[in-house]
Amino acid sequence: NFMLTQPHSVSESPGKTETISCTRSSGSIASNYVQWYQQRPGSAPTTVIYEDNQRPSGVPDRFSGSIDSSSNSASLTISGLKTEDEADYYCQSYDSSLKVVFGGGTKLTVL
Amino acid sequence: QLQLQESGPGLVKPSETLSLTCTVSGGSISSSTYYWGWIRQPPGKGLEWIGSIYYSGSTYYNPSLKSRVTISVDPSKNQFSLQLISVTAADTAVYFCARLYGGNSVDYWGQGTLVTVSS
Repeated sequence: NFMLTQPHSVSESPGKTETISCTRSSGSIASNYVQWYQQRPGSAPTTVIYEDNQRPSGVPDRFSGSIDSSSNSASLTISGLKTEDEADYYCQSYDSSLKVVFGGGTKLTVL
Repeated sequence: QLQLQESGPGLVKPSETLSLTCTVSGGSISSSTYYWGWIRQPPGKGLEWIGSIYYSGSTYYNPSLKSRVTISVDPSKNQFSLQLISVTAADTAVYFCARLYGGNSVDYWGQGTLVTVSS
């Protein structure tokens, strides 16, 4: 099975743009959709991006997702950072046998 | 609005069996579009998929837990359940039940329940 690797932590200032990467260890990143979840302390995760680049209703368009086959990675970009964006972010994908894989998570600090 | 609620003991002794049930309300567990799954999160750590089930009973398990996990479904009660045998302290975690669209991505989560493995 493959792994998804994320940076442990990132930090940026309010109003700036931050990008979190998610690299797939084997197999093509483009072969299965990637999702991104936001988790605030003490709460269940919520979806911010599904199917690589789709935003659920209610998620601001400051959140965007993309994949890059050359680096075999997915990215979550958050523009116009707000203090409320401070949270843990997890990427997630799956294989052809419906085995679900999560990345290790990235702690985003907005300061 | 779909809601998922985990229930079960919050404390389990080492070597015993962890059992949790997820009750689904506001929607049918027998929908052909969705799978139902369990995900856990040890304190201070990341998310780990445990396994998923389709309403017909087809199951999909994390290879690292497969030998100890059973997920079952009861469409008549709109519930699905998790059993994890031979637990150790490493199984201490918040356990989430979830709905997976097409079996691929989580679109609804339960609030999570903390299960502590300790004597």
